[in-house]
Amino acid sequence: EVQLVQSGAEVKKPGESLKISCKGSGYSLNNYWVGWVRQMPGKGLEWMGIIYPGDSDTRYSPSFRGQVTISVDKSISTAYLQWSNLQASDTAIYYCARSQGRGSSWYVGWGQGTLVTVSS
Amino acid sequence: QTVVTQEPSFSVSPGGTVTLTCGLSSDSVSTSHHPSWYQQTPGQPPRTLIYNTITRSSGVPDRFSGSILGNKAALTITGAQADDESDYHCMLYVGGGIWVFGGGTKLTVL
Repeated sequence: EVQLVQSGAEVKKPGESLKISCKGSGYSLNNYWVGWVRQMPGKGLEWMGIIYPGDSDTRYSPSFRGQVTISVDKSISTAYLQWSNLQASDTAIYYCARSQGRGSSWYVGWGQGTLVTVSS
Repeated sequence: QTVVTQEPSFSVSPGGTVTLTCGLSSDSVSTSHHPSWYQQTPGQPPRTLIYNTITRSSGVPDRFSGSILGNKAALTITGAQADDESDYHCMLYVGGGIWVFGGGTKLTVL
């Protein structure tokens, strides 16, 4: 069964760094775009950015460029979303999602979500 | 900044038909925006319903259909059921490898 498995919930303090992960289970991520989506409490979905593990081609929403870093480790079929200076406003559920293929970056599969709580 | 618009809320009677729309603040939506639709119930990750305007994702019932209606993308649910009560999110391609979600529509079945 094709799955995206995300890392567990995190509780952090403002100013701390964090890296959450998304692993392809049952298939290799290398031939699909992998994206990250934010959902703040009680709000809609926000497209953050996307990476193609095959060549690390990465695109960011203007709203998130410079605020987060998306990366991938092809050898373990895992994508990452990273912050260097968390703020309370980063409190949200973060979903990873994979595309249908190289030339089609709409999402067809989703991870279970990672809850990130930033509080002093 | 590109804004994708959706109705904040909608209601439909059981067995009825409802069409949710997805527009752009400064342009008409076409197939080149590759509209996709996602269903989400509370506490669950999104589920892909429709991608590339009209293609149903695996396992999605055929009472869900996607289209372009006028200058917007549309998701039509025919024969609404109680468990269709969910949030529905659309996503559009805006160029440069970038996508944007709409604000989501909360659908009530009553």
